Amino acid sequence: GAVVSQHPSRVICKSGTSVKIECRSLDFQATTMFWYRQFPKQSLMLMATSNEGSKATYEQGVEKDKFLINHASLTLSTLTVTSAHPEDSSFYICSARESGTSVWADTQYFGPGTRLTVL
Amino acid sequence: QKEVEQNSGPLSVPEGAIASLNCTYSDRGSQSFFWYRQYSGKSPELIMFIYSNGDKEDGRFTAQLNKASQYVSLLIRDSQPSDSATYLCARSWGGSYKLIFGSGTRLLVRP
Repeated sequence: GAVVSQHPSRVICKSGTSVKIECRSLDFQATTMFWYRQFPKQSLMLMATSNEGSKATYEQGVEKDKFLINHASLTLSTLTVTSAHPEDSSFYICSARESGTSVWADTQYFGPGTRLTVL
Repeated sequence: QKEVEQNSGPLSVPEGAIASLNCTYSDRGSQSFFWYRQYSGKSPELIMFIYSNGDKEDGRFTAQLNKASQYVSLLIRDSQPSDSATYLCARSWGGSYKLIFGSGTRLLVRP
């Protein structure tokens, strides 16, 4: 159980175009999903928290107008990188929170990631 | 000051040995801790979590939490070359579902 999928796994686009990445929880409902970015040899950086049916909460320094997040259902969240530029090239990973028996036991399961290359 | 600190490594151990990975944190608030394994080019996969003081065992893995000393560790018994990866320590706070990650420790298990 607790499987999270992401699509596409890899995308190459031209500078100035927009790219949409989908994150799905396959066997559980995820009221909260998270979006991370990871540059080579660095740790994961949380970009935003996505709650089903409400606006995403962005971390400091993350442009909400550039990284559009939509969490329309309990199993799907999307991240759209608008007007992508080469500096946006990175490994984008989503995670979904599965509710545990208590808040202490909540765990996040990660999707396989999307490698974005902007030319 | 980083909230979660890990030695970047690499930590090199021979096959069959015990690998000990450590993580320290600065926030004394009540929280849970998670260990993830990340292979190069892949996303993190959950190994285990711990939120009570003491040890928690799952197969070859044992997580240890010491809240008084503010550290959490992961022991890997009978290390295998397939365990070679970066191990990420993360903490969450009871009132928030966000995870704060350390920079990770690279483990190398020599055949």
